[in-house]
Amino acid sequence: QSVLTQPPSVSGAPGQRVTISCTGSSSNIGAGYDVHWYQQLPGTAPKLLIYGNTSRPSGVPDRFSGSKSGTSASLAITGLQAEDEADYYCQSYDSSLSGYVFGTGTKVTVL
Amino acid sequence: QVQLVESGGGLVKPGGSLRLSCAASGFTFSDYYMSWIRQAPGKGLEWVSYISSSSSYTNYADSVKGRFTISRDNAKNSLYLQMNSLRAEDTAVYYCARDNSNSAFDIWGQGTMVTVSS
Repeated sequence: QSVLTQPPSVSGAPGQRVTISCTGSSSNIGAGYDVHWYQQLPGTAPKLLIYGNTSRPSGVPDRFSGSKSGTSASLAITGLQAEDEADYYCQSYDSSLSGYVFGTGTKVTVL
Repeated sequence: QVQLVESGGGLVKPGGSLRLSCAASGFTFSDYYMSWIRQAPGKGLEWVSYISSSSSYTNYADSVKGRFTISRDNAKNSLYLQMNSLRAEDTAVYYCARDNSNSAFDIWGQGTMVTVSS
């Protein structure tokens, strides 16, 4: 069972900005652990999109940005493109579980 | 290039066992923590287990604790997951992933499917 909560779906027209929230608790995000984000295209393995709350790995477009505040984090996609249609997951560490936790996942649809 | 390749998945009966392998290449395997992560059909990602670079530390999700064992052979650049007492709810694609210094999973394998069914 996921301890990080995300909206099941978000949608937007091409060129628009969408945001995905990731809500945790005092034992994970609120405890100061970093939040990371992954993009999973249909039928493929997840790909790291944002690490350390705000950093992008080499090759990830700057249209993707992350932020963190309190017990929550957010992923923003600006200038939405058809190729951004995918599932997105947040991830952190939970001290009460002594292990990693993933968000429930959000499906992004480009209208 | 940096790559992880899983193998060993398949169909197994409830109560049975299976051993997954993950072959690493293109990086110094012994420098990194590694994890297994699974995804049930149509569901989200679930972290399963991690192992430290020298095998000193391991940990497991409560859902697999006592049934699964993670191990590695740095000389062979390989990661393993021994799965015993398998249940229907263990049915999933199993990914191995490299844990970077920020505890993010920066490299993933293509996954191997495990189906537990009679």
